[in-house]
Amino acid sequence: KQEVTQIPAALSVPEGENLVLNCSFTDSAIYNLQWFRQDPGKGLTSLLLIQSSQREQTSGRLNASLDKSSGRSTLYIAASQPGDSATYLCAVSLFTGNQFYFGTGTSLTVIP
Amino acid sequence: EAQVTQNPRYLITVTGKKLTVTCSQNMNHEYMSWYRQDPGLGLRQIYYSMNVEVTDKGDVPEGYKVSRKEKRNFPLILESPSPNQTSLYFCASSSNRGRSYEQYFGPGTRLTVT
Repeated sequence: KQEVTQIPAALSVPEGENLVLNCSFTDSAIYNLQWFRQDPGKGLTSLLLIQSSQREQTSGRLNASLDKSSGRSTLYIAASQPGDSATYLCAVSLFTGNQFYFGTGTSLTVIP
Repeated sequence: EAQVTQNPRYLITVTGKKLTVTCSQNMNHEYMSWYRQDPGLGLRQIYYSMNVEVTDKGDVPEGYKVSRKEKRNFPLILESPSPNQTSLYFCASSSNRGRSYEQYFGPGTRLTVT
């Protein structure tokens, strides 16, 4: 069974810092990996999706990388802002693309 | 606006009283899923559906039922809710157009079973 781990569970940084969130998975036979943001009491907002054949995706200040062979993905956030404070979740899908496994998330606080 | 909607958003019920949480998407997606989110356990997939009349169990299907009679709707049914089903529930949809399966989530339903 696929296990997805996110470390650290919580992270606090001053505004303006660049930061990296980590996601690791045990089975490299994935179809894609998706990063989400979740605000307290709210639903999940998709940030970036990386297909298994890709190595990275970028959107604005966000850059996600994927290393399937080592079972790792990172989400890089440049020039962090207080509005980035949220929980960040990664999810991997199996080769069929419709079974998803989530990590427990990293709670990010950006201090003004 | 492309979206996944869930109703109700909040529900308090008693043990054993059957309930249904509705989920609807307007993106013509083939795939739909239900998840529950619990502290320390993250999101776990309950059921998923690959198209109309095609459903399959996820990781934690016990105590739940689903049906997919129309492409846009995927209701979650708790025939006899128990307190351990108190949780935050999310519906999601995705499509294999472009072969991406990017998931779109609803706003969540917070269920409390007393």
